[in-house]
Amino acid sequence: EIVLTQSPGTLSLSPGERATLSCRASQSVSSSYLAWYQQTPGQAPRLLIYATSSRATGIPDRFSGSGSGTDFTLIISRLEPDDFAVYYCHQYGDSVPWTFGQGTKVEIK
Amino acid sequence: QVQLVQSGADVKKPGASVKVSCKASGYSFTDYYLHWVRQAPGQGLEWMGWINPNSGGTNYAQKFQGRVTMTRDTSISTAYMDLSRLRSDDTAVYYCARHNYVLALDIWGQGTMVTVSS
Repeated sequence: EIVLTQSPGTLSLSPGERATLSCRASQSVSSSYLAWYQQTPGQAPRLLIYATSSRATGIPDRFSGSGSGTDFTLIISRLEPDDFAVYYCHQYGDSVPWTFGQGTKVEIK
Repeated sequence: QVQLVQSGADVKKPGASVKVSCKASGYSFTDYYLHWVRQAPGQGLEWMGWINPNSGGTNYAQKFQGRVTMTRDTSISTAYMDLSRLRSDDTAVYYCARHNYVLALDIWGQGTMVTVSS
């Protein structure tokens, strides 16, 4: 099983600041199968990024993803009020089980 | 529009079973696998398994083997997740989600809260 470890656990930032979220895998993940989701309280997760760096439909360009192998990053270039949420990375390759990181909470400082 | 609509919240006693439904609309139900993911209160996301709506084939996480059954009814574009021998730590929100190939889980149901309590 591929374990995904996200850091930091909580990120305290102000609107307009840049957020950098990390996701490290216990073994190599194909770049084609690494995604990021955003979840706000009481809501289902929403797909932000798939295949490491491709934005899902309707996702603004302030969200960007990068990485390869075992290290992946989600960057939010300028935080807006709706961006304060929990973010999960997810590996969804051919091998099961699929796994998620434990989440990074981006909170208002 | 493309959406997944799940059944409502449920309360079960320990040892009972629960069946959650997930109705697809706005796309061809048999063209995309459906996955089930759960989230315990205040916790992260946990993958449970998938069903191929076309063939009915399934693949379950080892943790749930023997307790989970995923089925579908193509005539009404609905998938089901049945979890048996419920325990208190099965209390969670259960989500279905569409697997759109390299686009990962692109459409999610609204979630179904299942509470296991005596």
